Amino acid sequence: KAGVTQTPRYLIKTRGQQVTLSCSPISGHRSVSWYQQTPGQGLQFLFEYFSETQRNKGNFPGRFSGRQFSNSRSEMNVSTLELGDSALYLCASSLGSDEQYFGPGTRLTVT
Amino acid sequence: QQQVKQSPQSLIVQKGGISIINCAYENTAFDYFPWYQQFPGKGPALLIAIRPDVSEKKEGRFTISFNKSAKQFSLHIMDSQPGDSATYFCAASVPKTSGSRLTFGEGTQLTVNP
Repeated sequence: KAGVTQTPRYLIKTRGQQVTLSCSPISGHRSVSWYQQTPGQGLQFLFEYFSETQRNKGNFPGRFSGRQFSNSRSEMNVSTLELGDSALYLCASSLGSDEQYFGPGTRLTVT
Repeated sequence: QQQVKQSPQSLIVQKGGISIINCAYENTAFDYFPWYQQFPGKGPALLIAIRPDVSEKKEGRFTISFNKSAKQFSLHIMDSQPGDSATYFCAASVPKTSGSRLTFGEGTQLTVNP
């Protein structure tokens, strides 16, 4: 089975711009979660989608949003980018709620 | 609020030695505790996980010990190898009420010297 894939792998954006990241889960997995990883804050939960519905949301501002499509693929969007949004954005998929498998991440740099 | 505290921040072990990483949690509702291994430039990889109904789980050289009363759990890596050098994260979740939301520890950078 193919693992979780994320595109693009690297991205450089300018402050004020917006960005969309994509995640394709493992085949058959209906849950997709997004995490932000930074050296200072570690791994922090952004949100989770299950069967196209947001099931859970972390403590991030409304500039961070996401959605899930009927084929379980997910996108996350960050609007009005700030320097502090520079991070590795990780997507994880699972069948239900426990074992989660992470993708390689998208490295976002905001200049 | 940091709900999962991990120690040590870094660990250096000789090849063949035992690596021990500890985590403590606050939320007694947590009932799923996975460990992840992350190499530079890669996403975290699920190593092993435990639920509170057992006190120990072993998979190959990796063992989780769980102490529910102390609200602590630890990862033991037996016969540590240079290839085990990576960052390790403990995590916790409440699948029944919070879905797949994982709360992570701060991470431990493990170096195994040859």
